[in-house]
Amino acid sequence: GQNIDQPTEMTATEGAIVQINCTYQTSGFNGLFWYQQHAGEAPTFLSYNVLDGLEEKGRFSSFLSRSKGYSYLLLKELQMKDSASYLCAVAVRGAGNKLTFGGGTRVLVKP
Amino acid sequence: GAVVSQHPSRVICKSGTSVKIECRSLDFQATTMFWYRQFPKQSLMLMATSNEGSKATYEQGVEKDKFLINHASLTLSTLTVTSAHPEDSSFYICSASRRGGPNGEQFFGPGTRLTVL
Repeated sequence: GQNIDQPTEMTATEGAIVQINCTYQTSGFNGLFWYQQHAGEAPTFLSYNVLDGLEEKGRFSSFLSRSKGYSYLLLKELQMKDSASYLCAVAVRGAGNKLTFGGGTRVLVKP
Repeated sequence: GAVVSQHPSRVICKSGTSVKIECRSLDFQATTMFWYRQFPKQSLMLMATSNEGSKATYEQGVEKDKFLINHASLTLSTLTVTSAHPEDSSFYICSASRRGGPNGEQFFGPGTRLTVL
């Protein structure tokens, strides 16, 4: 099976930067996804990493190190609307498009 | 593109009744659909995976006779919660994947809030 860990909660100030870490233990790793989920809504796609390195998309960046089983999501220039849960999810080979989700990290942005 | 809809968005029912939730891929053919359940302040828990025209594969601990899944076409899957009880109250989310996308790519529906009285 897979084991995916991420912090439960983080608090940051508007305009600041927050880094959400995700560690995973899995065999047959085949990609890692980050999703944003506001309360009562469905997850929305943020990023996808399958190779080592940094993927940048506007204020959001995601990093992957396959050898370390580690990823992070970096949120820059935080805005109040960024208060949400951030979910790390891993895909594995041979499981179709099935994803295993971490517990999610609730980020609270304060003024 | 890649829009997934769910219906209804909210449903309140009495204990013992059955509730059907529909999940549709609006602008693509969904080779696989997934059903998740999410309790407050928790992450998504996969309930089952369904492929068009075949029986759903249920995750460990999910009762297949209680949560009936039908994937009748490449654009529609339904989840029926049979004989619902208050502990079945939850947020149910479906997702769909399409042929040719990155492994693991899923498009999520807006979710259905089920409250069982």
